[in-house]
Amino acid sequence: NAGVTQTPKFRILKIGQSMTLQCAQDMNHNYMYWYRQDPGMGLKLIYYSVGAGITDKGEVPNGYNVSRSTTEDFPLRLELAAPSQTSVYFCASSYPGLALQETQYFGPGTRLLVL
Amino acid sequence: AQSVSQHNHHVILSEAASLELGCNYSYGGTVNLFWYVQYPGQHLQLLLKYFSGDPLVKGIKGFEAEFIKSKFSFNLRKPSVQWSDTAEYFCAVNANSGNTPLVFGKGTRLSVIA
Repeated sequence: NAGVTQTPKFRILKIGQSMTLQCAQDMNHNYMYWYRQDPGMGLKLIYYSVGAGITDKGEVPNGYNVSRSTTEDFPLRLELAAPSQTSVYFCASSYPGLALQETQYFGPGTRLLVL
Repeated sequence: AQSVSQHNHHVILSEAASLELGCNYSYGGTVNLFWYVQYPGQHLQLLLKYFSGDPLVKGIKGFEAEFIKSKFSFNLRKPSVQWSDTAEYFCAVNANSGNTPLVFGKGTRLSVIA
């Protein structure tokens, strides 16, 4: 298993540009998550999904959109990039069942710089 | 809403020293508790977790944590650290009911020096 994969690893955007951060998992996990990690701030949940076609906002959803058309993929979309979105983005997934009690498996992260 | 406090921003220890990283949470109900580790340049990995039962939980690489319900704490310990333990450590919690995602603390950076 590849686990949780993320692309790209690093990206520089200009203010106002848009991009999609890709996340895929091959573990048949129902639950998937997007976090951002800022220095000294820990991880903040952006969006999560409990299954294909279902998404929910996390703590910091403004400026982002997600979709979940398949179990495997959970892309994160930035429509109008702002400097405040400079961060490291982590995707995670967890087992089905009592999903939020289960371990989350994290991807390697995408480092985004908005200038 | 839940919150997690990690008291130490940066801890520096010599090899073989004992480690204890503090974690306190605020939530009135039953919780699940986690410690994740992020080694330099790598993604987060689970160290250990507590759902129920024995409040002393043993994880990988010799780490353990003790859940003290009366103190809302879940401190991470290791009797003797190694240079390879240099990493950032995150405590996380979620409610043991319903559809509540993890809430992470801000993290504690551990530097182990020879």
